[in-house]
Amino acid sequence: AQSVTQLDSHVSVSEGTPVLLRCNYSSSYSPSLFWYVQHPNKGLQLLLKYTSAATLVKGINGFEAEFKKSETSFHLTKPSAHMSDAAEYFCVVSDRDTGGFKTIFGAGTRLFVKA
Amino acid sequence: EAQVTQNPRYLITVTGKKLTVTCSQNMNHEYMSWYRQDPGLGLRQIYYSMNVEVTDKGDVPEGYKVSRKEKRNFPLILESPSPNQTSLYFCASSFGTSGYEQYFGPGTRLTVT
Repeated sequence: AQSVTQLDSHVSVSEGTPVLLRCNYSSSYSPSLFWYVQHPNKGLQLLLKYTSAATLVKGINGFEAEFKKSETSFHLTKPSAHMSDAAEYFCVVSDRDTGGFKTIFGAGTRLFVKA
Repeated sequence: EAQVTQNPRYLITVTGKKLTVTCSQNMNHEYMSWYRQDPGLGLRQIYYSMNVEVTDKGDVPEGYKVSRKEKRNFPLILESPSPNQTSLYFCASSFGTSGYEQYFGPGTRLTVT
């Protein structure tokens, strides 16, 4: 069965400094991995996805993530944080499961950006 | 405009009173899914559907029903709501399963008293 662990429930950075949001996953098959962002009182928006092509994935708004199979990790990074990046971020795995196809969300990491 | 719509957006109801939350997408997507979002737990999948008349349980299906009679619609039914079903609900759709982005509706905030 799949699982997703986001290692930090809260991350606080200063504007202009790097962002690192950590995600570990487990999956029995060949998963697809995603990062979604949710701004306060808004819906969810896709940041980026990994689907067994390049292991370094670039997304919107300067975010990128690296798929490391040996470490079962898919950490999200951004070189320089902006105030508008303050939001909740979800790491997601989608994969075949017994009898179907499931989507598992991590518990989320809330990113705070200080001026 | 390509979108997933949910109705109602906000609902307050009482224990045991059956309710339906509608979900509709206009993108001809095969895959649709329902999630509930609770603080500290992220989103948890309730049910999903890979095509018309094909539905399957997610991780938290107890107390919910779904149906997929038409490709565009995927209603969520609470036959006898209870207070522990108070939550924020999201419907989502995508072209397929493996590797496809899910498009989310705006959410339905449900309170059961």
